[in-house]
Amino acid sequence: EAAVTQSPRNKVAVTGGKVTLSCNQTNNHNNMYWYRQDTGHGLRLIHYSYGAGSTEKGDIPDGYKASRPSQENFSLILELATPSQTSVYFCASGDEGNSDYTFGSGTRLLVI
Amino acid sequence: GEQVEQRPPHLSVREGDSAIIICTYTDSATAYFSWYKQEAGAGLQLLMSVLSNVDRKEEQGLTVLLNKKDKRLSLNLTAAHPGDSAVYFCAVSEGNAYKVIFGKGTHLHVLP
Repeated sequence: EAAVTQSPRNKVAVTGGKVTLSCNQTNNHNNMYWYRQDTGHGLRLIHYSYGAGSTEKGDIPDGYKASRPSQENFSLILELATPSQTSVYFCASGDEGNSDYTFGSGTRLLVI
Repeated sequence: GEQVEQRPPHLSVREGDSAIIICTYTDSATAYFSWYKQEAGAGLQLLMSVLSNVDRKEEQGLTVLLNKKDKRLSLNLTAAHPGDSAVYFCAVSEGNAYKVIFGKGTHLHVLP
């Protein structure tokens, strides 16, 4: 069954440390997305990708990098984690032209 | 750019009653509309999508209505049951857009 798998499910990181969140999709979708979800803000787009080798800035890219080494994999990188990046992060995949996304189960990140 | 307003932010209904969630959007070029359900601790799950040439779609106790004149999209859960308790999001996109705009969500609580 086509799916989006995120790892880890939970992460505790120290301020100033590096954090990598991973996402793998088996949907063969061209586009992949990273969102963070915070109470009062809904879903906010951090980075997205059109395909292997491409990354684009979303609405709140500051403090985050992204990497798309292959069609299946899309990573979100926090080079210097800060407490304000404590959140739940969701990866999604989809095709252009519609809003039918497949979401992963999320990664709960706590930066202390 | 496109803006989406979703209301109400919180909704409580009795089991067997219907629940209606509404989204309004601003861009008349919006071509694709979706509704998602997010259960506690999980990612968003696609419920139903409609193209802009569809006014009404029903599936498994859910009815989506699209009023293009008023730029209004609604989700009606007929005969809600406790398993429907979740957060619901609308999502809209233009036909060729890579980005989808999400509403901020509606917390639905179905009381037994």
